[in-house]
Amino acid sequence: AQTVTQSQPEMSVQEAETVTLSCTYDTSENNYYLFWYKQPPSRQMILVIRQEAYKQQNATENRFSVNFQKAAKSFSLKISDSQLGDTAMYFCAFSKKNSGNTPLVFGKGTRLSVIA
Amino acid sequence: GAVVSQHPSWVICKSGTSVKIECRSLDFQATTMFWYRQFPKQSLMLMATSNEGSKATYEQGVEKDKFLINHASLTLSTLTVTSAHPEDSSFYICSARREASNSPLHFGNGTRLTVT
Repeated sequence: AQTVTQSQPEMSVQEAETVTLSCTYDTSENNYYLFWYKQPPSRQMILVIRQEAYKQQNATENRFSVNFQKAAKSFSLKISDSQLGDTAMYFCAFSKKNSGNTPLVFGKGTRLSVIA
Repeated sequence: GAVVSQHPSWVICKSGTSVKIECRSLDFQATTMFWYRQFPKQSLMLMATSNEGSKATYEQGVEKDKFLINHASLTLSTLTVTSAHPEDSSFYICSARREASNSPLHFGNGTRLTVT
């Protein structure tokens, strides 16, 4: 079974600064996807960024980037130029790359507070 | 815009009654949908995988007779919480993926269930 671990229950960052959220995972699969989801107070799940395990290049989406270390099974999220709207719960998630019937396995989440 | 619609967004019911939650894929067909439950300040836990035209697959510890899942069409899955009790109060979220295995998982906006 796959497991996802987020070791930081809470983090805070000053507005405009950079913050990194940690995530490690355990799997015996060789091909899979990793995700970061944001859940603001509205509780809507918003996809932030996605990484395919076979791609060595780290994914980037505007101010969000990841540091994917496959051998170490590490998948951290870096948020640059933090904004007040980034305040939310952030969940790291894993998905096997099999078919459309593969669910996501989530970590416990990191609550990020951006301080003005 | 939203590609997965979930209804209702919130519901309050009395103990012992049943509540039905609908999850619709709006512009794609989904042979598989997933139901998650999220307790306050916790992560999303997979309850079951809903399969169109066949029985749902439940995760360990989830009572299939209490959480009835019906996936009668390619765009609709329903979760019925039968004989609800206060401990069933939670946030329920459905999700679905377009058929291609590399498509991201889309989430509904969730249903907040309160059992009094």
